[in-house]
Amino acid sequence: AQSVSQHNHHVILSEAASLELGCNYSYGGTVNLFWYVQYPGQHLQLLLKYFSGDPLVKGIKGFEAEFIKSKFSFNLRKPSVQWSDTAEYFCAVNAYSSASKIIFGSGTRLSIRP
Amino acid sequence: EAQVTQNPRYLITVTGKKLTVTCSQNMNHEYMSWYRQDPGLGLRQIYYSMNVEVTDKGDVPEGYKVSRKEKRNFPLILESPSPNQTSLYFCASRTGANGYTFGSGTRLTVV
Repeated sequence: AQSVSQHNHHVILSEAASLELGCNYSYGGTVNLFWYVQYPGQHLQLLLKYFSGDPLVKGIKGFEAEFIKSKFSFNLRKPSVQWSDTAEYFCAVNAYSSASKIIFGSGTRLSIRP
Repeated sequence: EAQVTQNPRYLITVTGKKLTVTCSQNMNHEYMSWYRQDPGLGLRQIYYSMNVEVTDKGDVPEGYKVSRKEKRNFPLILESPSPNQTSLYFCASRTGANGYTFGSGTRLTVV
């Protein structure tokens, strides 16, 4: 069965610090990968997605993620965070063979100190 | 505007009183899904639908029902709600090579 692990439950950074949030998944076949962001009191919004091609994916708001197939990882990065990046971040995986079944990780809460 | 619309946004009900949360999308998406979000557990899939009249259980289907009679609508039905179904619910839809687009959520409290 598919599963997604986000090892950092809560990350606290100062503004301008660099960010890396870990995401590992377990599934042996072809996958589609996503990062979503949920600002306080809001619904989930898609940050970026990986389907195929270049394993380094660029998303909105200066975020990027790198798919490393050998490590089953899809870590999210941002070189310099802002206070407005305070939110919860979810990694998600979709087995290529099951388009409607997307599994989410438990989320990482990011707090940015101004 | 392309969107997924859920109603109501907030709902307080009593144990055992049947309720329906509606979900509608205007993007002609084939796939629709319901998730519940609980602290520390992330989002867990309740049910999903691959098209009209095609639905299947997700990871936590117990106590829920769905129907997909029209492509745009995917209501979530709780026949006899219990306090452990108190949660934040999200409906979502997608098509092809895209991630899910989520609705604004329904915060349900069962007392």
